[in-house]
Amino acid sequence: DAEITQSPRHKITETGRQVTLACHQTWNHNNMFWYRQDLGHGLRLIHYSYGVQDTNKGEVSDGYSVSRSNTEDLPLTLESAASSQTSVYFCASSESGQGDEQYFGPGTRLTVT
Amino acid sequence: AQSVTQLGSHVSVSEGALVLLRCNYSSSVPPYLFWYVQYPNQGLQLLLKYTSAATLVKGINGFEAEFKKSETSFHLTKPSAHMSDAAEYFCAVVDNQGGKLIFGQGTELSVKP
Repeated sequence: DAEITQSPRHKITETGRQVTLACHQTWNHNNMFWYRQDLGHGLRLIHYSYGVQDTNKGEVSDGYSVSRSNTEDLPLTLESAASSQTSVYFCASSESGQGDEQYFGPGTRLTVT
Repeated sequence: AQSVTQLGSHVSVSEGALVLLRCNYSSSVPPYLFWYVQYPNQGLQLLLKYTSAATLVKGINGFEAEFKKSETSFHLTKPSAHMSDAAEYFCAVVDNQGGKLIFGQGTELSVKP
């Protein structure tokens, strides 16, 4: 069965370190998204991609970057981790149409100390 | 720009009672609307979606939602709550400019025995 996976599921890191969160989907979807979920804020979009070599900033992109070198993967990098980036991160993917639902990964809980 | 407002961050019902979770949207064009459910420590799962076909949309686990253009609403209902329905529920609208989702703040549903 097709799926979307995230790794690691839990990560503790120190302030200032670079961290990369992996997202891998086997749906062969063109669209991929990264969100963060914080209490009181719902889900906020960090970055998204509509295809290979395409990346776009979301509403909370400062301090994050992504790259899309193939269809299956969209890794999220925190260039220099900050305590404000402690959160739960979700990756999602969808087909190309506007009415297509997004399929979500299980999430990565990141703690920056 | 589109937006979604979920009325009530916490809703508590008794087992067997009606579930009503409210969602209002703003959109300058006919919207695509979604309800997602998130169980503890899991990713989001699609409950149902509205894509301009029937205004009453049936989803999984006995949930349904009615699209009311005049009220710009897409409320989620279930006739009889089960303990297993306890979760967080998110309403979302598709952004006009691509497949991005704009989420509401979420409503946590508690079900009392």
